[in-house]
Amino acid sequence: DQQVKQNSPSLSVQEGRISILNCDYTNSMFDYFLWYKKYPAEGPTFLISISSIKDKNEDGRFTVFLNKSAKHLSLHIVPSQPGDSAVYFCAARRPPGNTPLVFGKGTRLSVIA
Amino acid sequence: DSGVTQTPKHLITATGQRVTLRCSPRSGDLSVYWYQQSLDQGLQFLIQYYNGEERAKGNILERFSAQQFPDLHSELNLSSLELGDSALYFCASSVLAVADTQYFGPGTRLTVL
Repeated sequence: DQQVKQNSPSLSVQEGRISILNCDYTNSMFDYFLWYKKYPAEGPTFLISISSIKDKNEDGRFTVFLNKSAKHLSLHIVPSQPGDSAVYFCAARRPPGNTPLVFGKGTRLSVIA
Repeated sequence: DSGVTQTPKHLITATGQRVTLRCSPRSGDLSVYWYQQSLDQGLQFLIQYYNGEERAKGNILERFSAQQFPDLHSELNLSSLELGDSALYFCASSVLAVADTQYFGPGTRLTVL
């Protein structure tokens, strides 16, 4: 049973436009969500996170939105740059804090110049 | 560079064999996590150690085992290898025992022939 789902395996966006990556979850106990970015031949890199007490968190070009009623979060990248081309993983955690992160399968973003 | 190191980078071995993957966490991090990423799969959590003790266990096969040493480096032992064990194995570390922001190593690509 996949508790964190990224239903789009891939996404292509023009440079300069907005990229929107989506993530759905099934476990209403999740209280903390993270996005990781992964380039080929490298490990995932932490990008941005959000606690369930917030509905938005922004860091530069990256904004994560959380809709708890819909059990949905999204990552917005504005403006998209070719260097953003990577696989993006959504992850979630439920309390207590020592439960492991649950990752989605990832979405491959291609930003076209 | 996340500060997490993993060796070896690549490993090719035969079915039935045993291998050891090594991970050194970031300086100051007490938690080490092991993940497996198979083709078209997300990151599957295997096991977590915190300051030398097992903290959380995921979908780790009985043929697999891990440990964290007093210097905080960790080893993942995979035995009686099968073709299906071919995957990328990532190690991650964090300061706390809580499954918060984790910093990933570059991974070890294991190929079982």
